[in-house]
Amino acid sequence: NAGVTQTPKFRILKIGQSMTLQCTQDMNHNYMYWYRQDPGMGLKLIYYSVGAGITDKGEVPNGYNVSRSTTEDFPLRLELAAPSQTSVYFCASTRTSGTSGDTQYFGPGTRLTVL
Amino acid sequence: KNQVEQSPQSLIILEGKNCTLQCNYTVSPFSNLRWYKQDTGRGPVSLTIMTFSENTKSNGRYTATLDADTKQSSLHITASQLSDSASYICVVSATPHSTLTFGKGTMLLVSP
Repeated sequence: NAGVTQTPKFRILKIGQSMTLQCTQDMNHNYMYWYRQDPGMGLKLIYYSVGAGITDKGEVPNGYNVSRSTTEDFPLRLELAAPSQTSVYFCASTRTSGTSGDTQYFGPGTRLTVL
Repeated sequence: KNQVEQSPQSLIILEGKNCTLQCNYTVSPFSNLRWYKQDTGRGPVSLTIMTFSENTKSNGRYTATLDADTKQSSLHITASQLSDSASYICVVSATPHSTLTFGKGTMLLVSP
């Protein structure tokens, strides 16, 4: 199993550009998450999904959109990139919810810089 | 508001020594507490997961403790190795929303 994979690893965007961060998991997990990690800060939840076709906002959803058309894929879309979106983005997955005690698996991250 | 506070912010120890990292939380109602290890430039990796009824859990040289009454947890690392140099993150899950609250992490540097 590859686990959770993310592409790209690095990206530089200009203000106002758009991009999609890709995330794929091959563990047949129902729950998938997008986090951002700013220097010296804890991970913040952007969006999460409890299954194909179902998504919900996390703590910091503004400026982002997600979709979940399949169990495996959970892309994160940035529209009109702003410098405040400069961060490291992590995708993660769990078999069931965070309250269940299931192990959460993370991807390697995407380092995004908006100039 | 759910919060997770970790101390110290950073720590330097000599290879072979033990250390203990602290985590205090105000997440309610509590479901489980996790400790993750995050190497520089990598995603977090789960070390331990403890539910309300568990007060200690080990994973090799890592031992986590939980006191649900005082809402405190600790991560003890025994006989540290250079590869233990990383950020250690405490994460708490609350019912029923199932989302996780992350601490800012303790940056550990093991020096030869």
